[in-house]
Amino acid sequence: GNSVTQMEGPVTLSEEAFLTINCTYTATGYPSLFWYVQYPGEGLQLLLKATKADDKGSNKGFEATYRKETTSFHLEKGSVQVSDSAVYFCALSANSGNQFYFGTGTSLTVIP
Amino acid sequence: GAGVSQSPSNKVTEKGKDVELRCDPISGHTALYWYRQSLGQGLEFLIYFQGNSAPDKSGLPSDRFSAERTGGSVSTLTIQRTQQEDSAVYLCARGTGGPFSGANVLTFGAGSRLTVL
Repeated sequence: GNSVTQMEGPVTLSEEAFLTINCTYTATGYPSLFWYVQYPGEGLQLLLKATKADDKGSNKGFEATYRKETTSFHLEKGSVQVSDSAVYFCALSANSGNQFYFGTGTSLTVIP
Repeated sequence: GAGVSQSPSNKVTEKGKDVELRCDPISGHTALYWYRQSLGQGLEFLIYFQGNSAPDKSGLPSDRFSAERTGGSVSTLTIQRTQQEDSAVYLCARGTGGPFSGANVLTFGAGSRLTVL
């Protein structure tokens, strides 16, 4: 079946620290992979995506590389800011892009 | 979120009452999804619409839950005889991109927060 496992939180970092949030997946076929972010009091929004192996998605200083050999899509940012405090969800789409599977979310708090 | 309108934004109801939650994808995208987000939990898939039909409703937790979509646009999620465990944020999303593109992206609404007392 299809599933996503992501690092449990909460994660607390100081401003300018390096961030990694681990995400691994199980999927049949060739899924697309996503990171969604939910800022406090807001809805989920797409942060970045990758649609095939070795693709790197990037946005707002965040990056994630689609690694088929390790079935991973880890989220990284070199220097986090207070405004990055949010809940981050890893997700995959399968079945020709019609079905989506989400991880449980990782809460990130960045302190000044 | 931009492009998906949900109402009500907050609903408090008494146990045993029925509630209706509404989702308008505004631009009438073909694919529409309902998810539930409970406190401390991830996103739980409920149902997916392609047009007016629901190819996948495997996530509906019980027969108290139903959803419909008319005109390929607005969708209503109905919960009958609400229970306290139904308390959650109900999220609607529209899918963009072709159904076979493999790059379908979800655009979420802000959600409807349901509290069952």
